[in-house]
Amino acid sequence: EVQLVESGGGSVQPGGSLRLSCAASGFTFSTHWMSWVRQAPVRGLEWVANINPGGSDKRYVDSVRGRFTISRDSAKNSLSLQMDSLRAEDTAVYYCARVTQYYDSNGYHYYFDYWGQGTLVTVSS
Amino acid sequence: AIRMTQSPSSLSASTGDRVTITCRASQGISTYLAWYQQKPGKAPKLLIYAASALQSGVPSRFSGSGSGTDFTLSISSLQSEDFASYYCQHYYSYPWTFGQGTKVEIK
Repeated sequence: EVQLVESGGGSVQPGGSLRLSCAASGFTFSTHWMSWVRQAPVRGLEWVANINPGGSDKRYVDSVRGRFTISRDSAKNSLSLQMDSLRAEDTAVYYCARVTQYYDSNGYHYYFDYWGQGTLVTVSS
Repeated sequence: AIRMTQSPSSLSASTGDRVTITCRASQGISTYLAWYQQKPGKAPKLLIYAASALQSGVPSRFSGSGSGTDFTLSISSLQSEDFASYYCQHYYSYPWTFGQGTKVEIK
């Protein structure tokens, strides 16, 4: 059974840092892209970052580039998100999600087929 | 960034009704679209990928269609467990973006 369990959320002041972790099990972690997706009450779902299976290709939404760093440890089946220079607008539930590839005549499709339960990050003074 | 616009933002329906939700992309995205269902306090759940492919384990009353800029998610006969919010999401290019969501409520 695929499981993704996030941890590390909490309350932090603006300008502070937080590190989120996601423990993965039940699948071959080293063969999947992985993602962080967040959901703020006002702004709905927002894709935050992706990392490829080898960890060499990382993509970010513009609003977090330069402040957040996604990483993975395939030996520990673990995904991380280091969040620095946090802002009030980063307040959200952060989900870890597995990305699965599917190929058809249109090319490669990528979609989030498993999600963790989420961890709440609150940035407030 | 490609903007995804869903309509309606909310709808009221009864059990047994056919429900259709639309999603429009601000530019063509071929069939690079997924649909998710989310219930309060829970993580989203994948329903459809590649615009029309049904995820394993998802009931066949759910279907997706469309290509280019216009897409639809249909529920052929609404069940009590289908009252939830639904989101479309493209993966055509970075940044991947979601629609604002459609909340399906009980009439």
